[in-house]
Amino acid sequence: AQSVAQPEDQVNVAEGNPLTVKCTYSVSGNPYLFWYVQYPNRGLQFLLKYITGDNLVKGSYGFEAEFNKSQTSFHLKKPSALVSDSALYFCAVRDRGSGNTGKLIFGQGTTLQVKP
Amino acid sequence: DGGITQSPKYLFRKEGQNVTLSCEQNLNHDAMYWYRQDPGQGLRLIYYSQIVNDFQKGDIAEGYSVSREKKESFPLTVTSAQKNPTAFYLCASSIEGGRRETQYFGPGTRLLVL
Repeated sequence: AQSVAQPEDQVNVAEGNPLTVKCTYSVSGNPYLFWYVQYPNRGLQFLLKYITGDNLVKGSYGFEAEFNKSQTSFHLKKPSALVSDSALYFCAVRDRGSGNTGKLIFGQGTTLQVKP
Repeated sequence: DGGITQSPKYLFRKEGQNVTLSCEQNLNHDAMYWYRQDPGQGLRLIYYSQIVNDFQKGDIAEGYSVSREKKESFPLTVTSAQKNPTAFYLCASSIEGGRRETQYFGPGTRLLVL
């Protein structure tokens, strides 16, 4: 079965330090991978996606993610965290082999807390 | 959130009542989706539509219904058959329903049961 796992419910980091939010996936074929961010009582905002090509993907607000096929991971990273980065982060995957469907499978989310 | 609107922001449902959540997009996107968000469970797909007058059930369609009569609109009805409707409902759209397309989300509707 296809699935996405975000192993940490919460990540705490000090402002200015690097941050990593982890994501691993399990799909039957090669995946399309996405990261979204959600602020309280708001919709999801798209950060970045991996489709093909370079394993390091750069996205919005200084975020980047590294696709690692051997470890089936797609961790979200930022070199220097800001207090305003504090939010709920979702990893999602779409299986290339599942037909032409737009269905996304989401992880359960990771709360990022950046302290001043 | 730009380009996709959802209304109302908060909705209260009485026992046995059907309620309809609105989703409108002005992005000229073909595909639209409805997700349900519960704390600690991520998002789960309720219904999706890749083209006008066509839609498919997602993972948790029971107790919900949709229509897609216009490209820009994809309303979701929460029927009385949905026994646990309290959740945050998110509508999304993408240029087309293809696998590589990014889905963009609306601001959400929070449904509460009286």
